[in-house]
Amino acid sequence: GAVVSQHPSRVICKSGTSVKIECRSLDFQATTMFWYRQFPKKSLMLMATSNEGSKATYEQGVEKDKFLINHASLTLSTLTVTSAHPEDSSFYICSARDGSGGQDTQYFGPGTRLTVL
Amino acid sequence: QKEVEQNSGPLSVPEGAIASLNCTYSDRGSQSFFWYRQYSGKSPELIMFIYSNGDKEDGRFTAQLNKASQYVSLLIRDSQPSDSATYLCAVRPSNYQLIWGAGTKLIIKP
Repeated sequence: GAVVSQHPSRVICKSGTSVKIECRSLDFQATTMFWYRQFPKKSLMLMATSNEGSKATYEQGVEKDKFLINHASLTLSTLTVTSAHPEDSSFYICSARDGSGGQDTQYFGPGTRLTVL
Repeated sequence: QKEVEQNSGPLSVPEGAIASLNCTYSDRGSQSFFWYRQYSGKSPELIMFIYSNGDKEDGRFTAQLNKASQYVSLLIRDSQPSDSATYLCAVRPSNYQLIWGAGTKLIIKP
């Protein structure tokens, strides 16, 4: 299957700081990437859909000014959590859509565990 | 509202038996169906996808799709303790966005 990387895998930061998470598709081009968050023992929650070269589409209830998404190239999308607070502590996971070869599947990065003190 | 339903479990299956995981969906126009496996603390991993009615086999895994009844299932033969995880069903309606089930926790008992 296709490979998606995510960096960093784990980050601890102080309240009020901003954290940037990178998501890269390593062996395919992804015009669309997705950002999810997941709390312990809970379901995946889609935060936003990131399209290369255009503005991200945010799900209802997700603050676009707090969770800044940039999809500057076909292999890279970034999520910046601005002015992080303890309630933003969560597992953030990106996925990339691979539409090549007649398939149309999503592959996930390994996730970033964010802890805000 | 488009929905995907899964029994949250846990589903407990003895080692070596067949584990059967089920998923129903509400959008009759759905085109693509996916099963992901998620170990605790890890991100989801794609196991299989299926587009057409019937069975699709890959090793110990078989996906079954019945569009008329709007359900998709995943069978795991010769279950191993390493199969213990949460299994997520995802359905793609007419657009590209996946609709996710909440997942079924599977426990394989040695």
